[in-house]
Amino acid sequence: EAGVAQSPRYKIIEKRQSVAFWCNPISGHATLYWYQQILGQGPKLLIQFQNNGVVDDSQLPKDRFSAERLKGVDSTLKIQPAKLEDSAVYLCASSLDRTGDGYTFGSGTRLTVV
Amino acid sequence: SQQGEEDPQALSIQEGENATMNCSYKTSINNLQWYRQNSGRGLVHLILIRSNEREKHSGRLRVTLDTSKKSSSLLITASRAADTASYFCAYLSGYSSASKIIFGSGTRLSIRP
Repeated sequence: EAGVAQSPRYKIIEKRQSVAFWCNPISGHATLYWYQQILGQGPKLLIQFQNNGVVDDSQLPKDRFSAERLKGVDSTLKIQPAKLEDSAVYLCASSLDRTGDGYTFGSGTRLTVV
Repeated sequence: SQQGEEDPQALSIQEGENATMNCSYKTSINNLQWYRQNSGRGLVHLILIRSNEREKHSGRLRVTLDTSKKSSSLLITASRAADTASYFCAYLSGYSSASKIIFGSGTRLSIRP
């Protein structure tokens, strides 16, 4: 079974630039999550989708971060404009449903903002 | 913050010894999971324990859950060098449409040869 795919693997940008991350969840997984993991900390949930609807985006900095999952499958997370403190690993995960069954992480995108 | 707390933050033990990590949380939960993360890598699922379970085993791993104390522990027996990693607990908080998975702050485990 293919896992959760994320790209790019690494990204270096200057502050105030824009960046987008892509995630393809496991086939059939209705729930998709984006997490931000700053070095030395646990992952922090940014946004959770159920199919193509947003379930929770309470910790998403909406002035600069946006995410979409238009067809209920792939998802993109965008940062515009980026700040130095956005340097982190951005992890995508998916699960069969909101109980977390089959919860699987992608390998993440490491973002460095200089 | 709903984020769980883990202790210790860092643990260094001799190879062959047992390692115990603890996780405390603040809300009612549906289940609790433990993950391992090697440096620079993604999170690997280790074990899941449901709220109606008290103990679960998987190979050298033993997880306990005490919902009255809102805490869980992960025991790794007969540690190996390859166990060096960060360990995170994650719990499903809330029910139905309000449920979400929240991660603890992590324990960095180092195994000395």
